[in-house]
Amino acid sequence: DAGVTQSPTHLIKTRGQQVTLRCSPKSGHDTVSWYQQALGQGPQFIFQYYEEEERQRGNFPDRFSGHQFPNYSSELNVNALLLGDSALYLCASSRTGTVYGYTFGSGTRLTVV
Amino acid sequence: GESVGLHLPTLSVQEGDNSIINCAYSNSASDYFIWYKQESGKGPQFIIDIRSNMDKRQGQRVTVLLNKTVKHLSLQIAATQPGDSAVYFCAETSSGSARQLTFGSGTQLTVLP
Repeated sequence: DAGVTQSPTHLIKTRGQQVTLRCSPKSGHDTVSWYQQALGQGPQFIFQYYEEEERQRGNFPDRFSGHQFPNYSSELNVNALLLGDSALYLCASSRTGTVYGYTFGSGTRLTVV
Repeated sequence: GESVGLHLPTLSVQEGDNSIINCAYSNSASDYFIWYKQESGKGPQFIIDIRSNMDKRQGQRVTVLLNKTVKHLSLQIAATQPGDSAVYFCAETSSGSARQLTFGSGTQLTVLP
């Protein structure tokens, strides 16, 4: 049973560019959450998607946007990249209504140069 | 905003000794707490969880203690092994927050031979 899969694993972008990261949730999960983890820090909540809508958002600018597809997979888009956006981006999936079984992917390492 | 923090950024223990990792939280509405282990290049891996109506929970070689009076939880690892070397995070969540997780900054555990 595949867990949460994220792609790509690594990415290098130039300041000002746009990036799209992808996530496939664990089988049976319908909710996807995205987190940003700066080096040496704990993950920070970006937003959560359920039923193809953004249900909750953390303290991130609207340069960060997302999407959820009917098959529950999700994308994270970041526009106008800044050097400070360099981080590990983690996707986590769960079944709505519960945090039990909350499962993280291995992340996408984004480097902005 | 509310946050979860850790007392120590690093911890070194001898192989076979017990490890104790501490965490303070500030959100009195938190009702569920999770400990995660994160190895280099990987996403957070679930270790053990505890609900706020409990003060202790045991797993295989791990125990989590929760003290709601002082808003503190700890992770105890028995007979620490080299494979336990990693960064450990506590995370908290509350109902009504779409179950987003708030993480601390992590403790680097190093197991010495």
